[in-house]
Amino acid sequence: NAGVTQTPKFQVLKTGQSMTLQCAQDMNHEYMSWYRQDPGMGLRLIHYSVGAGITDQGEVPNGYNVSRSTTEDFPLRLLSAAPSQTSVYFCAGGGGANEKLFFGSGTQLSVL
Amino acid sequence: QKEVEQDPGPLSVPEGAIVSLNCTYSNSAFQYFMWYRQYSRKGPELLMYTYSSGNKEDGRFTAQVDKSSKYISLFIRDSQPSDSATYLCATLNAGGTSYGKLTFGQGTILTVHP
Repeated sequence: NAGVTQTPKFQVLKTGQSMTLQCAQDMNHEYMSWYRQDPGMGLRLIHYSVGAGITDQGEVPNGYNVSRSTTEDFPLRLLSAAPSQTSVYFCAGGGGANEKLFFGSGTQLSVL
Repeated sequence: QKEVEQDPGPLSVPEGAIVSLNCTYSNSAFQYFMWYRQYSRKGPELLMYTYSSGNKEDGRFTAQVDKSSKYISLFIRDSQPSDSATYLCATLNAGGTSYGKLTFGQGTILTVHP
């Protein structure tokens, strides 16, 4: 039981490149979400999903795209990377009756 | 103004000290309150979870919520070097459509030195 797994752990992109951050969970969570963490800003919600085929925007969705074709996977796509997207990204699963989230170990992204 | 405010510190204390970490929030609809601990280069992990006002104790950790003043606290007794981490408070609206949508404070960096 690996919980929530994110890949890659580190990534460097050039401005304008696109890429997908992968997130997979084996805990059968209906709810999954993506956060970014920046110094002094805490964790901010990018997108979330309440089940396969259902996604919605969070606090900072611009420049990101998500899909949820299966319960297990919730990839985050950067359409055209910008330096402002340099951050640490966390995927989280969970949200049952007690609203407890389980986080992955993060992806550190640098956009040059 | 952020919905959840947390003093970012950093906070440095000697081993064995009592640590007090605090957050304030502005949305009176928040009813679930959590504390997450995040070690360097790791994802946050749930430390304490409380519903509505009151205290909850778990070993050396006590979470306190005062809804009348919109104040959340985490106390760590007999602090250890292994407690050195970033502590994040988080809140959740009681509404069911808010599943998974937590509002986080900025996080407080704590260092416990031997």
